[in-house]
Amino acid sequence: QVQVFQSGAEVKKPGASVKVSCKASGYTFNNFYFQWVRKAPGQGLEWVGIISPGGGTTFYAEKLKGRVSMTSDSSTSTVYMELSTLRSDDTAVYYCARLNIDMVGDVWGQGTTITVSS
Amino acid sequence: EIVLTQSPGTLSLSPGDRATLSCRASQRISSNFLAWFQHKPGQAPRLLIFRASSRPTGIPDRFSGSGSGTDFTLAISRLEPEDFAVYYCQQYGNSPWTFGQGTKLEIK
Repeated sequence: QVQVFQSGAEVKKPGASVKVSCKASGYTFNNFYFQWVRKAPGQGLEWVGIISPGGGTTFYAEKLKGRVSMTSDSSTSTVYMELSTLRSDDTAVYYCARLNIDMVGDVWGQGTTITVSS
Repeated sequence: EIVLTQSPGTLSLSPGDRATLSCRASQRISSNFLAWFQHKPGQAPRLLIFRASSRPTGIPDRFSGSGSGTDFTLAISRLEPEDFAVYYCQQYGNSPWTFGQGTKLEIK
């Protein structure tokens, strides 16, 4: 069964960094890209970026460039998203999703709540 | 970047009704790479339609997608109680990928 499982909720202070993990299982990790999406309270879904399974290809949302970094560890079938210089408007549920051969998210993680508060 | 505008913002219908949701793009979407997702509170988004009109395995056939270029539609033929949720379109043909702002489908 194809699954992706994300790390747990985090509370961070403004200016800090956070790193969220997303571990895949049930399929050949190296064959599929991942995307990250977030949903802030009262807002819609927002695309954060994508990463290839080997980590060599990344694309990030323009508004987050310079603060977001995505990496991959194929030895553990895990991708990571790190967001630095956190602000209160980064408070959101962050989702990772496997991208199918059509490059659309078909299997999603359960979400990770990141709260930024002083 | 491609801006996706969904309408209506809120749609109030009853179980058994037909729902029609619209997604309009600010420019042509390459290869009709347009997907629809259903999102409920506390759950992960669920892929309903990809490449404008293709349904993944396991998605009921009451969900259908149509359209091309800049205008796309998601139709739900006979609403079930579990269909009331927020629906988003996403284009993945041009970087950066983008989502529409969502349509809330609520029980009338």
